[in-house]
Amino acid sequence: EDQVTQSPEALRLQEGESSSLNCSYTVSGLRGLFWYRQDPGKGPEFLFTLYSAGEEKEKERLKATLTKKESFLHITAPKPEDSATYLCAVQARYSGGGADGLTFGKGTHLIIQP
Amino acid sequence: EAQVTQNPRYLITVTGKKLTVTCSQNMNHEYMSWYRQDPGLGLRQIYYSMNVEVTDKGDVPEGYKVSRKEKRNFPLILESPSPNQTSLYFCASSFASVNTEAFFGQGTRLTVV
Repeated sequence: EDQVTQSPEALRLQEGESSSLNCSYTVSGLRGLFWYRQDPGKGPEFLFTLYSAGEEKEKERLKATLTKKESFLHITAPKPEDSATYLCAVQARYSGGGADGLTFGKGTHLIIQP
Repeated sequence: EAQVTQNPRYLITVTGKKLTVTCSQNMNHEYMSWYRQDPGLGLRQIYYSMNVEVTDKGDVPEGYKVSRKEKRNFPLILESPSPNQTSLYFCASSFASVNTEAFFGQGTRLTVV
């Protein structure tokens, strides 16, 4: 069974204080790992897809990295508008009952204080 | 504007009263799916559709039905809702079933009393 564990559950940072969010995964064969951002009362918004260990992607203050067991979302000099819940999801190469569906972690609730 | 539209956004209903949550996308996507989001459990897939007239169960399909008669629409049907179906529901669509960005609707908050 595919599993995704995100840590920490919640993180409070000061504006400008860099940090990293962790996503550990267990999957039979990874087709892709996805990061989404979710604001209160809204649907998840796509950020990145990573396909293989060693891959990195960047967007503004966010950088996602991937190893064979986990992914990190690094946030550099965050601003209050970066406050959101960040979701990690995996898509397995050979899925079980949820064929080709995304298996999501429970998310990290990030608060950036001015 | 590319978007996935769900209706209604909020719904309170009683146990056993059939309801339908609509979902429509304007991006000509083939793959559509429904998720529910519950505190402490995250997002879980209910049903998905690879294309018109092709649907299949996700991880938590019990108590739900779907149909895909047109490419743009993918309604979620609760024939006899129960309180354990109280949740936040999201419809999503993507160009293909694998390795592509999923676009999510704004969600439907359903309460079954």
